[in-house]
Amino acid sequence: SAVISQKPSRDICQRGTSLTIQCQVDSQVTMMFWYRQQPGQSLTLIATANQGSEATYESGFVIDKFPISRPNLTFSTLTVSNMSPEDSSIYLCSVWTDNQPQHFGDGTRLSIL
Amino acid sequence: DQQVKQNSPSLSVQEGRISILNCDYTNSMFDYFLWYKKYPAEGPTFLISISSIKDKNEDGRFTVFLNKSAKHLSLHIVPSQPGDSAVYFCAASAGSNYQLIWGAGTKLIIKP
Repeated sequence: SAVISQKPSRDICQRGTSLTIQCQVDSQVTMMFWYRQQPGQSLTLIATANQGSEATYESGFVIDKFPISRPNLTFSTLTVSNMSPEDSSIYLCSVWTDNQPQHFGDGTRLSIL
Repeated sequence: DQQVKQNSPSLSVQEGRISILNCDYTNSMFDYFLWYKKYPAEGPTFLISISSIKDKNEDGRFTVFLNKSAKHLSLHIVPSQPGDSAVYFCAASAGSNYQLIWGAGTKLIIKP
């Protein structure tokens, strides 16, 4: 299965600032996804990162708050903009290809002060 | 509206005994179900899956059972080992296996 590297693994940020999270895969994948896991909660899909075009956002998530890039088939970024304490979560990148189950990176643990 | 429900937030099992984790769903269009295991500070790891054309799938110590009429699936782990202590997520999809709907997770604690 694909090896997924997610950076940073954790960060502590000031409110009002923005953070960009990177997801690098060691092979080309068909689909890349960004999830959020708030404390004690399940995984919530933020958006599907589309290669060369705008991401597809789920209900409740907007591009201005969570801009996403996917310049090629192995790399994507998620930016959490204008952060507030409510954005404190684990952010997870996952990939899907060739009818295989989704595989996840180890996540970015984000705390907002 | 929770389409996938894991009603037990936690489960404690003695080492060596059977662990049974349950998952219920409401959407009859779901045709593919997966179980993931998650350790703290790691991403979820795929464990086992089952298609709706089957009622059982087995992989080593892990077996998933699907009861379509009851819209219920369960994950059996036997024998349970200390390394099985983790949060287990049930997920389901309809028509594709990448658009997943997730349950809330069950924290499994294996007691020595």
